[in-house]
Amino acid sequence: DAKTTQPTSMDCAEGRAANLPCNHSTISGNEYVYWYRQIHSQGPQYIIHGLKNNETNEMASLIITEDRKSSTLILPHATLRDTAVYYCIVRASNTNAGKSTFGDGTTLTVKP
Amino acid sequence: EPEVTQTPSHQVTQMGQEVILRCVPISNHLYFYWYRQILGQKVEFLVSFYNNEISEKSEIFDDQFSVERPDGSNFTLKIRSTKLEDSAMYFCASSAGRGSNQPQHFGDGTRLSIL
Repeated sequence: DAKTTQPTSMDCAEGRAANLPCNHSTISGNEYVYWYRQIHSQGPQYIIHGLKNNETNEMASLIITEDRKSSTLILPHATLRDTAVYYCIVRASNTNAGKSTFGDGTTLTVKP
Repeated sequence: EPEVTQTPSHQVTQMGQEVILRCVPISNHLYFYWYRQILGQKVEFLVSFYNNEISEKSEIFDDQFSVERPDGSNFTLKIRSTKLEDSAMYFCASSAGRGSNQPQHFGDGTRLSIL
């Protein structure tokens, strides 16, 4: 799996957009970028994933650069409940029910 | 929204005892996974399972571990003779299909404490 690099921590004001960056410069052409988050003592929660186009769902938007070497997860209006560790993961493209390899993630703290 | 459920939420076991952790994956999913997270450390992959056999396993998943889908709904992880270092959160996950375009959905885990 391609390695990802994320900042260790970020703060965001409640109600503002949270923009979480991720570098994945060694990503292969058919590997997907995934974002999960883990709120204290809970299981990882799937947020969004994409290949090369920008994606949006009810939780977030994912912006992937044209060269696919980096991406940004956007939480448009952060709330206190969005405080969590956010993981950017590149999933291998093999067809063997590929595992997810978690790094240390970014600890996002949303402040009132 | 369908979810992965895990039982029990907390399991306390004496070292050397066998433990079985249970998971009910999302009903139409076909691929199943176990991960673990030692306190303060990363989430680590243990094993993936499809069509009643292991697809992939990590170095952590040694002979003390086994997985089973005993019926159409449950997916279990057995640790045969627990060690202190097995203390961790264990997460079950499932996905609808294989390939990197299929999200894995996780349960909220079982906290395993070995005494």
